Amino acid sequence: QSALTQPASVSGSPGQSITISCTGTSSDVGSYNLVSWYQQHPGKAPKLIVYDVSKRPSAISNRFSGSKSGNTASLTISGLQAEDEADYYCCSYAGSSPWVFGGGTKLTVL
Amino acid sequence: EVQLVESGGGLVQPGGSLRLSCAASGFTFSNYWMHWVRQAPGKGLVWVSRINSDGSSTSYADSVKGRFTISRDNAKNTLYLQMNSLRAEDTAVYYCASNNGRTFDYWGQGTLVTVSS
Repeated sequence: QSALTQPASVSGSPGQSITISCTGTSSDVGSYNLVSWYQQHPGKAPKLIVYDVSKRPSAISNRFSGSKSGNTASLTISGLQAEDEADYYCCSYAGSSPWVFGGGTKLTVL
Repeated sequence: EVQLVESGGGLVQPGGSLRLSCAASGFTFSNYWMHWVRQAPGKGLVWVSRINSDGSSTSYADSVKGRFTISRDNAKNTLYLQMNSLRAEDTAVYYCASNNGRTFDYWGQGTLVTVSS
């Protein structure tokens, strides 16, 4: 099972919005609404920020939102803040594999 | 508060073995499928293995199949990963994570495994 494809890096200024894409196949992202996004700060464990494509855990800010179209999922962060600077990973259920992650995207807040 | 605490990492020579543990608390461990996910230095997350709630079913990534064994002790609220025939490419931080059937909702802090001579 190949990793999902994410851009290596994205950047934005405080207050702006950015979107990170996550491209899979019809065997994973395209077949299941079980796409999650994780935020990881350096030296820390991943933290769940979006699940089931677009749902947020109760403690996660509504500045984080997710969506999906076909084989591509997206994470949008609005109102960028300095503390959003981190690595972001998408993940999808893949049936028999059974879970596949993206390669990660480094977000830089300028 | 949910806590997952990994232990057992360290430096091991190629071909050696190591057993990782993950102690769980703050939730009903025996109800959850549990997973191991690893992250090589400077690299992304990679799913390694999973075990169902009663331990009767397991699954592995092709890269570790036949070398790693996942198990659990629900009486002790502990997840294990027995790693044999270790290779340099197994060097990574190993995370245990709970999965509610939809997502990895809780993660441990990770334990570093270094395979080197």
